[in-house]
Amino acid sequence: GAGVSQSPSNKVTEKGKDVELRCDPISGHTALYWYRQSLGQGLEFLIYFQGNSAPDKSGLPSDRFSAERTGGSVSTLTIQRTQQEDSAVYLCASSLGAGMGYTFGSGTRLTVV
Amino acid sequence: GENVGLHLPTLSVQEGDNSIINCAYSNSASDYFIWYKQESGKGPQFIIDIRSNMDKRQGQRVTVLLNKTVKHLSLQIAATQPGDSAVYFCAENIQNDYKLSFGAGTTVTVRA
Repeated sequence: GAGVSQSPSNKVTEKGKDVELRCDPISGHTALYWYRQSLGQGLEFLIYFQGNSAPDKSGLPSDRFSAERTGGSVSTLTIQRTQQEDSAVYLCASSLGAGMGYTFGSGTRLTVV
Repeated sequence: GENVGLHLPTLSVQEGDNSIINCAYSNSASDYFIWYKQESGKGPQFIIDIRSNMDKRQGQRVTVLLNKTVKHLSLQIAATQPGDSAVYFCAENIQNDYKLSFGAGTTVTVRA
């Protein structure tokens, strides 16, 4: 597509429920990244994919967080048993490869009540 | 660890004035730098980038300056407009690593 597409744009969920966040990167971008941004804060790295593999998962906050990427394209970030501290904007970005800038999506605003 | 940081978290600018946003980095191996603009409710948007073999690069109303001696990066916005109100992030890349390291962000508010 023309840009990075994320869905849903907003998600309100009850504490303890699982959520799935989707990212559709720019066509041809081999690298895909997930970041988290709490209100008024900076960008917290979660995970990155090169193709379908994830060489760096160092930013995932706990084992409740997981992500996958299929076909070198769409990625899903799953948060199990959501907690209130998971409330944040989850941003996805893609790039052509190493040493290149990212293109970000508009993010998914997750609110856990 | 080494990271990218910002000198000031907020900047208030009179409309029409020039803005200067600063960023310090500590990793001398960094060779690619980017400025992003994030408006409320949106994802960060690429503004301008610069590689370490340059010390200045100009875009439309924006200029990025890189001083490798003191490991300092700045973004200058000419004739600041209300639409420039946003959070600005600097980011660095180290020798073709896949991951960018982001600074904390500077909030720019333009006064009418």
